[in-house]
Amino acid sequence: EAGVTQSPTHLIKTRGQQATLRCSPISGHTSVYWYQQALGLGLQFLLWYDEGEERNRGNFPPRFSGRQFPNYSSELNVNALELEDSALYLCASSPGGLAADYEQYFGPGTRLTVT
Amino acid sequence: AQSVTQLDSHVSVSEGTPVLLRCNYSSSYSPSLFWYVQHPNKGLQLLLKYTSAATLVKGINGFEAEFKKSETSFHLTKPSAHMSDAAEYFCVVSDGYGGATNKLIFGTGTLLAVQP
Repeated sequence: EAGVTQSPTHLIKTRGQQATLRCSPISGHTSVYWYQQALGLGLQFLLWYDEGEERNRGNFPPRFSGRQFPNYSSELNVNALELEDSALYLCASSPGGLAADYEQYFGPGTRLTVT
Repeated sequence: AQSVTQLDSHVSVSEGTPVLLRCNYSSSYSPSLFWYVQHPNKGLQLLLKYTSAATLVKGINGFEAEFKKSETSFHLTKPSAHMSDAAEYFCVVSDGYGGATNKLIFGTGTLLAVQP
C-alpha cells in the first residue's frame, strides 16, 4: 500500500513569489494535515482538511492557504514568500472525522527554500 | 490546553545499552499520546500510541512506552540500542478530543546518538 506522497521534494523560490506544495494521502484516508518544521521553531500545525473542507488552522497568517480536492489530495499555497518561510513542510493523512486517537501518517516532506 | 515537554534535547548511548527518552505531558483530560521518529532527511514515522487502553504500550523496533498518570509522564524506552536507532524522537499529544481540532502538538524533540 502506498504511503503519503508529496511533491516536489525540494522547492527554491525568491522572496515575494508564491509556492505550491502537493500531497496525496493514503488510499481511503479523507483527512489531510499540513505541518511546518522550521529550524528553531519545531513542528507546528498549519492546516487540517477533511472531506474537502478546512476544519482547523494553526497560528499562521492568511497567506498560508490550501485546498483539498475531490480525490482527497491537497495543495498548500504560500503567497508573498518571506525568508522565514524556509522550512520542511510535512503532509499527513488519517481516516476522516474527529478522532483524537487516529494516528497520522506522514509523507517525506517538501523542503522549501526562500532566497 | 495540551502540551508535551521533552526533558532532554540530546541523549547519547552506547550500542547495546538501554535507551530512555523522557516526556511529560499536560492535559485537562485523558490524552492520546504518541511517539514519532524522524531519521535524517526523512518524514516522521509512528513508533507507538497510547489511547487509554493498556498503560504499557509496545511499538515497532523494540520500543515501548509507559503511561503514568500520577507522574504525567510517557517515557520511551528500549532495552538495547542499535546504530539504526540514531534519529530524532518526538513526543506528541493529540489536541483532538472534545474539540474539532485533530491537530498534533509536538514536543521539541530529542536527538538520540548511538555510539559504537
